[in-house]
Order: sequence, then structure tokens, then C-alpha cells
Amino acid sequence: DAGITQSPRHKVTETGTPVTLRCHQTENHRYMYWYRQDPGHGLRLIHYSYGVKDTDKGEVSDGYSVSRSKTEDFLLTLESATSSQTSVYFCAIGAGDNQPQHFGDGTRLSIL
Amino acid sequence: EDQVTQSPEALRLQEGESSSLNCSYTVSGLRGLFWYRQDPGKGPEFLFTLYSAGEEKEKERLKATLTKKESFLHITAPKPEDSATYLCAVQVPTGGGNKLTFGTGTQLKVEL
Repeated sequence: DAGITQSPRHKVTETGTPVTLRCHQTENHRYMYWYRQDPGHGLRLIHYSYGVKDTDKGEVSDGYSVSRSKTEDFLLTLESATSSQTSVYFCAIGAGDNQPQHFGDGTRLSIL
Repeated sequence: EDQVTQSPEALRLQEGESSSLNCSYTVSGLRGLFWYRQDPGKGPEFLFTLYSAGEEKEKERLKATLTKKESFLHITAPKPEDSATYLCAVQVPTGGGNKLTFGTGTQLKVEL
């Protein structure tokens, strides 16, 4: 298994609170990604990183921010959580061009 | 806009009953097509990468093929442990970051 750890695995919080999800990798891969998975939509890219302090937006980035201060860690922050952000969040890592992405086991986030 | 469509949405097979899953795509240049397997409560697990029309990859009871418009995942003599959701994704040259666009998946159930 690719060395990817997501934390926490489950979280329940209230609307308007800040939330940070963490992704940690031990593979030293350059690329890291955050996706959300919702019924009927499949996996959708939120943000990605192509190096330390280098990040860019995906297709559903509104309401989310990311940071990558070390190769191994990629953080996803919901500044003020909303109920529409209830989802399962997956982190993925990739080695480079044309290489497959490998996924963590996800964080189930519920916003009440 | 890049689009990936998977069919059927759900498939129920008897053990030993072979079948195929379809992934059709509309993209402006294909860099790679990826197949993943996802078990409940887990992240997607990488199966295959296909790069050009005519290419085939095999792993145990699974065989993936690629044409210029679609990919098939053939399952020969499936077993109950093959039950999972199968996802396909495409990577295109534009935008950078080796980003993937996913289909919504085919949920496969194999019964005794």
C-alpha cells in the first residue's frame, strides 16, 4: 500500500466552524491532491500541489484552501464549514507525468 | 469540456458469469486512462493505466482495453470478492498537475 495517512478519519462539526484535514505521505512524491466524493458526482478535484508551497485550484475549490509547507504534508482547510461541504474527502499522491495517483482511505466529514 | 461516462451504473452477476464495464470519454487529447477499484469505506485502488488505442492490460480475472473513444474492463469468471465499485479516469495534457477527470463508477456485485 502507498504510504498515505489521512486524519482524522471521521469528523462531525457545526456550520461556521473551521476544519482542517491532514494528508501525510511517506513516498516522497511531488504531487498531492485533495478530492471530494459525493453520490452522483464521482471524485472531484478540490486543490492540488506540485511541490512545496506550490498549489493550484481544481474544479470545486470555492470555500477551501490548502497549504503544503513540507513534501510529506498537505492540509485542506474549510475556513467556515457549510452543510454543502458534507462529503468524503480523499487525498491522493502522484509521482509525475502519466503516473497513476494513489489514494488514502478518506475522511468522512459531516457538517450539521 | 472533458467528460467521462461509465455504464452501467450498477451490475449484478452470478459467480462465473463474465461481463464488461464501459468507460466512454470525450477529451481534447488523451494522455492516459486509469482504472481503479473502490471498496466500501476505502480509497480507490489503482488497477491499470492505458496510454494508446489498441493497448490491453491484464490482472487476474480483469482485462482492460482502450479504443479512441472508450475503454472496457472485462471481468472473466468473476468471484464474490470482485464485488466493488470500478472507476475510470482520464488524464489530458492541458492544465498541468497531471489532473484526472473521473467517471461516476460502476457498482459491481457478484453473487454465489
